[in-house]
Amino acid sequence: GAGVSQSPSNKVTEKGKDVELRCDPISGHTALYWYRQSLGQGLEFLIYFQGNSAPDKSGLPSDRFSAERTGGSVSTLTIQRTQQEDSAVYLCASSYGGRAREQYFGPGTRLTVT
Amino acid sequence: QQQVKQSPQSLIVQKGGISIINCAYENTAFDYFPWYQQFPGKGPALLIAIRPDVSEKKEGRFTISFNKSAKQFSLHIMDSQPGDSATYFCAASGTYNTDKLIFGTGTRLQVFP
Repeated sequence: GAGVSQSPSNKVTEKGKDVELRCDPISGHTALYWYRQSLGQGLEFLIYFQGNSAPDKSGLPSDRFSAERTGGSVSTLTIQRTQQEDSAVYLCASSYGGRAREQYFGPGTRLTVT
Repeated sequence: QQQVKQSPQSLIVQKGGISIINCAYENTAFDYFPWYQQFPGKGPALLIAIRPDVSEKKEGRFTISFNKSAKQFSLHIMDSQPGDSATYFCAASGTYNTDKLIFGTGTRLQVFP
Protein backbone atom coordinates (compact mmCIF):
# COMPACT_ATOMS: atom_id res chain seq x y z
CA GLY A 1 0.00 0.00 0.00
CA ALA A 2 0.94 3.66 -0.18
CA GLY A 3 3.38 4.93 2.40
CA VAL A 4 3.63 8.34 4.03
CA SER A 5 3.97 11.07 1.44
CA GLN A 6 5.28 14.58 1.91
CA SER A 7 5.30 17.65 -0.28
CA PRO A 8 7.16 19.50 -1.52
CA SER A 9 10.28 17.34 -1.55
CA ASN A 10 12.44 20.45 -1.63
CA LYS A 11 11.68 24.03 -0.71
CA VAL A 12 13.98 27.01 -1.01
CA THR A 13 12.71 30.19 0.56
CA GLU A 14 14.01 33.60 1.50
CA LYS A 15 14.50 34.56 5.11
CA GLY A 16 11.35 36.10 6.51
CA LYS A 17 8.92 34.26 4.23
CA ASP A 18 6.29 31.79 5.45
CA VAL A 19 6.32 28.15 4.31
CA GLU A 20 3.83 25.28 4.48
CA LEU A 21 4.88 21.67 4.48
CA ARG A 22 2.37 18.89 3.87
CA CYS A 23 2.14 15.33 5.12
CA ASP A 24 -0.23 12.59 3.93
CA PRO A 25 -0.09 9.71 6.44
CA ILE A 26 -0.76 6.07 5.74
CA SER A 27 -4.50 5.48 5.45
CA GLY A 28 -6.01 4.41 8.76
CA HIS A 29 -3.14 5.71 10.88
CA THR A 30 -4.53 7.83 13.68
CA ALA A 31 -1.21 9.01 15.11
CA LEU A 32 0.97 11.49 13.23
CA TYR A 33 4.34 12.92 14.23
CA TRP A 34 6.55 15.66 12.84
CA TYR A 35 10.32 15.48 13.34
CA ARG A 36 13.17 17.66 12.17
CA GLN A 37 16.55 16.36 11.03
CA SER A 38 19.45 18.76 10.96
CA LEU A 39 23.22 18.33 11.01
CA GLY A 40 23.70 19.92 14.37
CA GLN A 41 20.68 18.54 16.19
CA GLY A 42 20.09 15.09 14.74
CA LEU A 43 16.50 13.85 14.63
CA GLU A 44 14.24 15.76 16.98
CA PHE A 45 10.54 15.55 17.76
CA LEU A 46 8.36 18.55 16.96
CA ILE A 47 4.68 17.71 17.45
CA TYR A 48 2.30 14.77 17.86
CA PHE A 49 -1.29 14.43 16.62
CA GLN A 50 -3.85 11.89 17.73
CA GLY A 51 -6.70 12.34 15.30
CA ASN A 52 -7.04 16.09 14.80
CA SER A 53 -5.82 16.97 18.29
CA ALA A 54 -2.24 17.82 19.19
CA PRO A 55 -1.72 16.70 22.79
CA ASP A 56 2.05 17.17 22.57
CA LYS A 57 3.54 20.27 20.98
CA SER A 58 6.55 20.30 23.27
CA GLY A 59 9.11 20.05 20.47
CA LEU A 60 8.06 23.12 18.49
CA PRO A 61 11.11 25.39 18.73
CA SER A 62 9.27 28.72 18.72
CA ASP A 63 5.89 30.31 18.21
CA ARG A 64 6.80 30.75 14.54
CA PHE A 65 6.05 27.05 14.15
CA SER A 66 2.52 25.70 14.05
CA ALA A 67 0.77 22.63 12.71
CA GLU A 68 -2.70 21.37 12.11
CA ARG A 69 -4.34 18.17 11.02
CA THR A 70 -7.72 17.93 9.35
CA GLY A 71 -10.09 15.01 8.84
CA GLY A 72 -7.78 12.83 10.88
CA SER A 73 -5.55 12.63 7.84
CA VAL A 74 -3.50 15.35 6.14
CA SER A 75 -1.28 17.54 8.29
CA THR A 76 0.36 20.86 7.51
CA LEU A 77 3.40 22.26 9.31
CA THR A 78 3.68 26.04 8.94
CA ILE A 79 6.80 28.06 9.65
CA GLN A 80 6.30 31.81 9.74
CA ARG A 81 9.02 34.37 9.17
CA THR A 82 11.58 31.70 8.35
CA GLN A 83 15.12 32.02 9.68
CA GLN A 84 18.31 30.41 8.41
CA GLU A 85 18.40 28.11 11.43
CA ASP A 86 15.11 26.61 10.23
CA SER A 87 16.98 24.97 7.34
CA ALA A 88 16.63 21.22 7.85
CA VAL A 89 14.79 18.15 6.61
CA TYR A 90 11.28 17.99 8.03
CA LEU A 91 10.03 14.43 8.43
CA CYS A 92 6.54 13.18 9.03
CA ALA A 93 5.73 9.78 10.51
CA SER A 94 2.47 7.98 11.15
CA SER A 95 1.35 4.96 13.12
CA TYR A 96 -1.85 3.12 13.98
CA GLY A 97 -1.46 4.33 17.55
CA GLY A 98 -2.55 2.50 20.67
CA ARG A 99 -0.62 -0.73 21.13
CA ALA A 100 0.85 -0.47 17.61
CA ARG A 101 4.02 1.51 18.24
CA GLU A 102 5.62 1.27 14.80
CA GLN A 103 6.15 4.67 13.19
CA TYR A 104 6.61 4.87 9.43
CA PHE A 105 8.38 7.87 7.98
CA GLY A 106 7.86 9.81 4.79
CA PRO A 107 10.72 10.91 2.54
CA GLY A 108 10.90 14.35 4.13
CA THR A 109 10.88 17.93 2.90
CA ARG A 110 14.28 19.56 2.62
CA LEU A 111 13.88 23.23 3.57
CA THR A 112 16.60 25.71 2.72
CA VAL A 113 16.28 29.27 3.97
CA THR A 114 18.53 31.72 2.12
CA GLN B 1 17.24 11.60 31.18
CA GLN B 2 15.56 11.79 27.81
CA GLN B 3 18.79 11.10 25.91
CA VAL B 4 19.71 8.02 23.98
CA LYS B 5 23.46 7.65 23.50
CA GLN B 6 24.65 5.84 20.39
CA SER B 7 28.08 4.57 19.40
CA PRO B 8 30.14 4.38 17.32
CA GLN B 9 29.59 7.46 15.18
CA SER B 10 30.94 5.61 12.16
CA LEU B 11 31.77 2.00 11.38
CA ILE B 12 33.67 0.34 8.56
CA VAL B 13 33.13 -3.38 8.06
CA GLN B 14 34.24 -5.82 5.42
CA LYS B 15 31.64 -7.72 3.43
CA GLY B 16 30.56 -10.80 5.33
CA GLY B 17 31.56 -9.36 8.69
CA ILE B 18 29.42 -8.49 11.70
CA SER B 19 28.38 -4.88 12.30
CA ILE B 20 27.58 -3.94 15.91
CA ILE B 21 26.02 -0.65 16.99
CA ASN B 22 25.33 0.15 20.62
CA CYS B 23 22.85 2.39 22.40
CA ALA B 24 22.26 3.30 26.02
CA TYR B 25 19.40 5.08 27.74
CA GLU B 26 18.63 6.45 31.19
CA ASN B 27 14.87 6.70 31.38
CA THR B 28 13.44 3.44 32.74
CA ALA B 29 9.98 4.49 31.52
CA PHE B 30 11.03 3.80 27.93
CA ASP B 31 9.31 0.62 26.77
CA TYR B 32 9.85 0.45 23.02
CA PHE B 33 13.20 0.44 21.23
CA PRO B 34 13.25 0.56 17.41
CA TRP B 35 16.13 0.75 14.97
CA TYR B 36 15.88 2.75 11.77
CA GLN B 37 17.95 2.58 8.59
CA GLN B 38 18.36 5.70 6.50
CA PHE B 39 19.82 6.02 3.02
CA PRO B 40 20.92 9.44 1.70
CA GLY B 41 17.97 11.54 0.59
CA LYS B 42 15.42 9.13 2.06
CA GLY B 43 13.38 9.04 5.23
CA PRO B 44 14.27 6.62 8.03
CA ALA B 45 12.91 3.10 7.47
CA LEU B 46 11.91 0.93 10.40
CA LEU B 47 14.26 -2.04 10.55
CA ILE B 48 13.48 -3.94 13.72
CA ALA B 49 12.16 -3.13 17.19
CA ILE B 50 12.11 -4.69 20.64
CA ARG B 51 10.20 -4.30 23.88
CA PRO B 52 11.87 -4.81 27.28
CA ASP B 53 10.12 -8.10 28.05
CA VAL B 54 12.53 -9.98 25.74
CA SER B 55 16.32 -9.98 25.62
CA GLU B 56 16.77 -10.66 21.93
CA LYS B 57 14.89 -10.36 18.68
CA LYS B 58 16.07 -11.60 15.32
CA GLU B 59 14.79 -10.79 11.85
CA GLY B 60 16.87 -12.23 9.06
CA ARG B 61 20.42 -10.89 9.35
CA PHE B 62 19.41 -8.25 11.92
CA THR B 63 19.35 -8.93 15.66
CA ILE B 64 18.59 -6.65 18.59
CA SER B 65 20.12 -7.57 21.93
CA PHE B 66 18.53 -5.90 24.93
CA ASN B 67 19.97 -5.64 28.46
CA LYS B 68 17.34 -4.16 30.73
CA SER B 69 19.48 -4.02 33.86
CA ALA B 70 22.28 -2.19 32.03
CA LYS B 71 19.82 -0.03 30.09
CA GLN B 72 21.58 -0.87 26.86
CA PHE B 73 20.57 -2.32 23.54
CA SER B 74 22.47 -3.10 20.39
CA LEU B 75 21.97 -3.92 16.73
CA HIS B 76 23.93 -6.74 15.16
CA ILE B 77 24.05 -7.09 11.39
CA MET B 78 25.33 -10.51 10.42
CA ASP B 79 26.97 -11.20 7.06
CA SER B 80 27.11 -7.46 6.34
CA GLN B 81 26.64 -6.51 2.69
CA PRO B 82 27.58 -3.38 0.71
CA GLY B 83 23.84 -2.70 0.38
CA ASP B 84 23.70 -2.33 4.16
CA SER B 85 25.82 0.82 3.89
CA ALA B 86 23.58 3.48 5.42
CA THR B 87 23.08 5.49 8.59
CA TYR B 88 21.48 3.61 11.47
CA PHE B 89 19.56 5.26 14.28
CA CYS B 90 18.44 3.71 17.52
CA ALA B 91 15.47 5.24 19.29
CA ALA B 92 13.35 4.86 22.38
CA SER B 93 9.84 5.81 23.37
CA GLY B 94 7.37 5.38 26.20
CA THR B 95 3.59 5.29 26.28
CA TYR B 96 3.78 7.72 29.21
CA ASN B 97 5.10 10.30 26.76
CA THR B 98 2.89 10.07 23.65
CA ASP B 99 5.24 7.50 22.05
CA LYS B 100 7.38 10.22 20.53
CA LEU B 101 10.70 8.79 19.48
CA ILE B 102 13.91 9.95 21.13
CA PHE B 103 16.71 9.21 18.67
CA GLY B 104 20.34 8.41 19.08
CA THR B 105 22.83 10.46 17.08
CA GLY B 106 23.24 7.88 14.32
CA THR B 107 25.97 5.55 13.08
CA ARG B 108 27.24 5.73 9.54
CA LEU B 109 27.99 2.19 8.39
CA GLN B 110 30.17 1.47 5.38
CA VAL B 111 30.52 -2.10 4.17
CA PHE B 112 33.34 -2.69 1.73
CA PRO B 113 33.43 -5.61 -0.72
